[in-house]
This record gives sequence, structure tokens and C-alpha cells, in this order.
Amino acid sequence: AQSVAQPEDQVNVAEGNPLTVKCTYSVSGNPYLFWYVQYPNRGLQFLLKYITGDNLVKGSYGFEAEFNKSQTSFHLKKPSALVSDSALYFCAVRDTRNTPLVFGKGTRLSVIA
Amino acid sequence: NAGVTQTPKFQVLKTGQSMTLQCAQDMNHEYMSWYRQDPGMGLRLIHYSVGAGITDQGEVPNGYNVSRSTTEDFPLRLLSAAPSQTSVYFCASRVSAGDTQYFGPGTRLTVL
Repeated sequence: AQSVAQPEDQVNVAEGNPLTVKCTYSVSGNPYLFWYVQYPNRGLQFLLKYITGDNLVKGSYGFEAEFNKSQTSFHLKKPSALVSDSALYFCAVRDTRNTPLVFGKGTRLSVIA
Repeated sequence: NAGVTQTPKFQVLKTGQSMTLQCAQDMNHEYMSWYRQDPGMGLRLIHYSVGAGITDQGEVPNGYNVSRSTTEDFPLRLLSAAPSQTSVYFCASRVSAGDTQYFGPGTRLTVL
């Protein structure tokens, strides 16, 4: 069965500093990996995805994520955090069949001015 | 395109009442799904559908029914509401052979 772990419930970072939100996954076969962001009282917005190809994936709002097959990780990164990046971030995975998307429990990012 | 739409936005029910949460998409997506979001639990899959006439259970299906008579609509029915079903419900859709899943704005349900 597919699963996702987001080991940190909360990440705090100062504005202007780099940020990392961690994600590890388990799936049989090749993974499709996703990051979504949720702002307060809003739905989920797609940020970026890894399907195949380059291990470094660039997405919306300056975010990027690195796929590491040997460590089964897909950490979300941004070189310089903004206060407006404060939100709840979800990592998700599915295999290459037409199966449901499985989500982690989410990491709350707080960027402090 | 309106994308994925959900109605109502908010709903308060009494224990034992039934209701239907509506979900529609205008992107001709084959795959649709329902999730519930609870604090500290992330998003948990309730039911999903890979096309009209085909539905299957997810991780937490008890107390919920679905049907998929058209490609556009995927309603979620609560048969007899319980306080444990207090949650935020999200509908999502994607192209069957594609990848990115799009979410609706959510329905916040409170069961008293």
C-alpha cells in the first residue's frame, strides 16, 4: 500500500532564510509525487509534481522539490522564505496506475518577519 | 472553466439527519474522489470513481454513499449523520490517464 510521512507537524523559519519541508514515501513501483498548499479556510492548491525525468522539480511561487529515489524522499524547498508562504503543506503519492492519491498529514509552515 | 465546484459551503446537521454534498466538474475528468480533512489527520479518502457508473471505497467509507451517473457529478451522501462526521469535505478530480488532481473549495460540515 502507498503511504506518505511528513515528520514535522510545524516548521518555523525567518523571512529571507531558506526553507525545507520534509516528505518520505512508500510505494510499490515508480512513484508519482505531489506537493499541495492550503491557505486558511481555502481548498488545496497544486504546487508541483514529479512524474519522471529530472530529480529537481520547479513549481509555483518559487518552490522546488528534489526527488531522491534511494532515500524515498521528496523534500520541498525554497531559497528565500516569504511571510506569505505561511500555510499548510501536503505531500502526496500514488503509483503509476490509476490509483487514489494518498496524502501525508501535513506540515504547517510559519514564516516569521 | 469553473473547475471543481462544491455546494453547500457550510452545513449544520443534527445527529441522524441525512444530506447530500454536491460536487461537479466541467473539465471532462474521468477520475473523481472525496476526502475528509480533520486536524492532525491530513486528508483521508472516502470514496472515488474512475468513470461514470464505477465507484470504489477509500480508507474511511463507513457512513457515506456515492454514485456516479454522469461524468460531471459525484455527490456524497451521508445516510445518518453522526458527530464523528464533523469535518471539512473536499471533492477532487483529474484526467484518468493524467496526473494533477484539482480540488474544490470544500464543504465545512458540523453535526450536533
